[in-house]
Amino acid sequence: AQSVTQLGSHVSVSEGALVLLRCNYSSSVPPYLFWYVQYPNQGLQLLLKYTSAATLVKGINGFEAEFKKSETSFHLTKPSAHMSDAAEYFCAVSDYRIIFGSGTRLSIRP
Amino acid sequence: DGGITQSPKYLFRKEGQNVTLSCEQNLNHDAMYWYRQDPGQGLRLIYYSQIVNDFQKGDIAEGYSVSREKKESFPLTVTSAQKNPTAFYLCASSLGGMNTEAFFGQGTRLTVV
Repeated sequence: AQSVTQLGSHVSVSEGALVLLRCNYSSSVPPYLFWYVQYPNQGLQLLLKYTSAATLVKGINGFEAEFKKSETSFHLTKPSAHMSDAAEYFCAVSDYRIIFGSGTRLSIRP
Repeated sequence: DGGITQSPKYLFRKEGQNVTLSCEQNLNHDAMYWYRQDPGQGLRLIYYSQIVNDFQKGDIAEGYSVSREKKESFPLTVTSAQKNPTAFYLCASSLGGMNTEAFFGQGTRLTVV
């Protein structure tokens, strides 16, 4: 079965600093990978998805993720954090079911 | 306005009672999903349905039941057999297949007292 592992349940960065949220996948076939964001007491919103067309995927709100097969990783980055980025972020993999990681809460320090 | 509607947003029930959570979508999506969210555990899949009149158990189906009689509706019943039902429940839908993203409702917070 496919799965994803998110390293770090909580990440804190200063406003303007680089954001790096880690996700590793386990899959015996080319995976379909996603990053979602969740604000408090709301549903999830898609940030970006990996379609195999390009290893570097650009998403909304300035986020991007790079698919690295050799490292089985799909880490999420943003060059400069903004206060509005504070939220919980989930990595997910799809094989008809959509399976989520445990999430990483991102805090932004002023 | 296309989207997924979950109702109600907050639900309180007494222990031992069954309760049904509503999920309706007008996106014409074939696939629908129910997830349970607990702090620090991410989203865990309860049931999913790829097509009308068919559904499969997810990772934590015990104590839950679903039906998919209409394409746009996928209600979830939390039965008295669910040992710890207090949680945030999220419904989602997608076009189906392996490379389609899910669209989520706003969730229902169920509290059993």
